[in-house]
Amino acid sequence: AQSVTQPDIHITVSEGASLELRCNYSYGATPYLFWYVQSPGQGLQLLLKYFSGDTLVQGIKGFEAEFKRSQSSFNLRKPSVHWSDAAEYFCAVGNFGNEKLTFGTGTRLTIIP
Amino acid sequence: DAGVTQSPTHLIKTRGQQVTLRCSPKSGHDTVSWYQQALGQGPQFIFQYYEEEERQRGNFPDRFSGHQFPNYSSELNVNALLLGDSALYLCASSPGAGYTFGSGTRLTVV
Repeated sequence: AQSVTQPDIHITVSEGASLELRCNYSYGATPYLFWYVQSPGQGLQLLLKYFSGDTLVQGIKGFEAEFKRSQSSFNLRKPSVHWSDAAEYFCAVGNFGNEKLTFGTGTRLTIIP
Repeated sequence: DAGVTQSPTHLIKTRGQQVTLRCSPKSGHDTVSWYQQALGQGPQFIFQYYEEEERQRGNFPDRFSGHQFPNYSSELNVNALLLGDSALYLCASSPGAGYTFGSGTRLTVV
């Protein structure tokens, strides 16, 4: 069965500092990997996705993620965070054709001035 | 181009009642999936509809049922509501490179 682990429940970062959110997955086949962001009371917005090819993926809002098959990881990074990045971040895994996504429990990001 | 729209945005129901939530997918999308997101948790897959049939189902009881119409819109029905059904219900449409999610319906069962 597929699963996603986000080991950090809550992360606090100073504005302008770099950010890395961790994601580890378990999946029997070649995974499709996603990062979504959710502001309070809102739906999910897709930040970026990995299907195949280049393992470093660029997304919206200056985010990027790197797929590392040997570590079963898909960590999200941003070189310099902005106060507007404060939100909940979810990593998810699925596969083409299945299209069912399995989500992690999320990481809440707080930005301090 | 409208994205995924859900209605209503908020709903309060009494335990034991039935509820229907509605979803209109993004234009050009023919597959609709429903997710339940309890407070402080990640979304959990309920089921997926394609060509008006349930294609996949997650670990949810039969109290949760759905329907997809010829125009690809969808409904989620929950019977015999329990307090534990209180959650944000998200609709997502595809295909595409990742779902497009709606803003959700916040259901509170009292």
